[in-house]
Amino acid sequence: GAVVSQHPSWVICKSGTSVKIECRSLDFQATTMFWYRQFPKQSLMLMATSNEGSKATYEQGVEKDKFLINHASLTLSTLTVTSAHPEDSSFYICSASKAGIFYEQYFGPGTRLTVT
Amino acid sequence: AQTVTQSQPEMSVQEAETVTLSCTYDTSENNYYLFWYKQPPSRQMILVIRQEAYKQQNATENRFSVNFQKAAKSFSLKISDSQLGDTAMYFCAFTPTNQAGTALIFGKGTTLSVSS
Repeated sequence: GAVVSQHPSWVICKSGTSVKIECRSLDFQATTMFWYRQFPKQSLMLMATSNEGSKATYEQGVEKDKFLINHASLTLSTLTVTSAHPEDSSFYICSASKAGIFYEQYFGPGTRLTVT
Repeated sequence: AQTVTQSQPEMSVQEAETVTLSCTYDTSENNYYLFWYKQPPSRQMILVIRQEAYKQQNATENRFSVNFQKAAKSFSLKISDSQLGDTAMYFCAFTPTNQAGTALIFGKGTTLSVSS
């Protein structure tokens, strides 16, 4: 158990457009979901933490108006990159934790975003 | 500030040999959780091993074992009988609590190459 999916796995969009990435917990209820950004050969950078039904908590330096996070249900969180620019091109990874086992995070397979 | 340090950006080993990846961390917490994650070329994050700080016994998972030195705040990963499939980036991670909404703190990673 504890499978997390992400959709799409790869997306190409034009500069100035918005793109939405979905993160789903398939076989458990995710009380908390996390969104990370990763550049090639670098570590994961935490962007934001979201709890179901409440506003996301963004890390310092992350533009909340640019990276919109919604955690509308216990199995779905979405990250919308608004007015995307080439510098937003990156690998975005979500993870989720279960109630009571908060220290364990289950990772999605990631989404590669390319902005042209 | 709580930090995780991996001092080896890259390492290489031959098949069947043993390799040790280093990790140190800094925290004032007494109980916490430590992890090693593997990220192969597919970029899917895979949990390799987990250690709970209050447990003195070092965790093992098949060919993977850790050397947890709490006083020294050291948490190294030993891979025995290395296989080509072990080629990946390895991240040491730490979380200070078992509370909802607490993110993992990652090190910068070590790229391991296993050759035949």
